[in-house]
Amino acid sequence: DQQVKQNSPSLSVQEGRISILNCDYTNSMFDYFLWYKKYPAEGPTFLISISSIKDKNEDGRFTVFLNKSAKHLSLHIVPSQPGDSAVYFCAAQFGNEKLTFGTGTRLTIIP
Amino acid sequence: DAGVTQSPTHLIKTRGQQVTLRCSPKSGHDTVSWYQQALGQGPQFIFQYYEEEERQRGNFPDRFSGHQFPNYSSELNVNALLLGDSALYLCASSLPATDTQYFGPGTRLTVL
Repeated sequence: DQQVKQNSPSLSVQEGRISILNCDYTNSMFDYFLWYKKYPAEGPTFLISISSIKDKNEDGRFTVFLNKSAKHLSLHIVPSQPGDSAVYFCAAQFGNEKLTFGTGTRLTIIP
Repeated sequence: DAGVTQSPTHLIKTRGQQVTLRCSPKSGHDTVSWYQQALGQGPQFIFQYYEEEERQRGNFPDRFSGHQFPNYSSELNVNALLLGDSALYLCASSLPATDTQYFGPGTRLTVL
């Protein structure tokens, strides 16, 4: 049972444009959502998070939007830079417990 | 301030052997979680340790066991290795009473 889904395995975006990565979840008990970025041969790096009591959180070029009624969240990166090319994982959490991850989206920024 | 560290970086074992992976959390972090990431998949939760006790466990067999030491470092042990245990093993740590987990670089385990 895949409780967190990232339906786009890959995404290509022109440098300078906006990258939008999507994530859907099924468990309404999740109350905290995170995005991680992963380069090959490295561990996931925390990017940004959002609590279920909010619908938007912004940190520099990164903004996460949460739509609880649709059980959907998205990560916006603007402007996209070549160093943003990586695999992005969406993760969800209930309380201070385990993270449930999606399968990832490979983002490629085209110069 | 050192982040989460893991050792070894790579490991090659044969079927039936046993392996121990090690993790040191970020300074001040008292909770350690272990994840397995197979190729092309997201990390899957194995278990979490807090105050030297296993607090939560994912859907992994008893061949997977762990330990947390008084200095909050942790070990993951896998017995009777199977080919399917080949994966990247990730350790994550978190501060008391917070939600964000920070990951180490992982240990790549290959079972032949």
